[in-house]
Amino acid sequence: SQQGEEDPQALSIQEGENATMNCSYKTSINNLQWYRQNSGRGLVHLILIRSNEREKHSGRLRVTLDTSKKSSSLLITASRAADTASYFCATDDTGFQKLVFGTGTRLLVSP
Amino acid sequence: DAGVIQSPRHEVTEMGQEVTLRCKPISGHNSLFWYRQTMMRGLELLIYFNNNVPIDDSGMPEDRFSAKMPNASFSTLKIQPSEPRDSAVYFCASSFVQSNSPLHFGNGTRLTVT
Repeated sequence: SQQGEEDPQALSIQEGENATMNCSYKTSINNLQWYRQNSGRGLVHLILIRSNEREKHSGRLRVTLDTSKKSSSLLITASRAADTASYFCATDDTGFQKLVFGTGTRLLVSP
Repeated sequence: DAGVIQSPRHEVTEMGQEVTLRCKPISGHNSLFWYRQTMMRGLELLIYFNNNVPIDDSGMPEDRFSAKMPNASFSTLKIQPSEPRDSAVYFCASSFVQSNSPLHFGNGTRLTVT
């Protein structure tokens, strides 16, 4: 079963612009993670935010978490063509790393 | 660090045949996960192991699917007999189980059952 739903399903922007993706989930969580998947490859972990954190930064990535709304957002600033990929949020369903992934957002960054 | 290694990368087989997918986790990791990805259903967790022991196989779709982890460095996912609806990309991931550890994914096996 899918815990998270990403929005939008697809996003097309120009290089240099910011990209924002949203994730909504259904149950209580211990943490929320974001992963990137390039075409034909496995998922790569980007960032993790704990349930008691509200915002976290890593390079050009900014993640927010609102547990009251059961939602998270991923912001990629100053996007590059190399950021073209699918982005997934994942939540720990039972707290034992049983990660449940959302439906993903396909990001296309044009030069 | 070689990462999680899966084989084969592509598998094409006929309906009814047995298919075996293989995974070598990252050395030192003690949890291993098998996921399946399709356009219709997204990423689904099939089964995961901790210290080579299956913890939760509730995601395994049918008895035709089985998974083993005979040691800390090797796991297999077997489908017997295979059906066209099993066509998907199968991913293996590993991690060191502790709070907030990320998963490390292999590049997957693309299975096509004709």
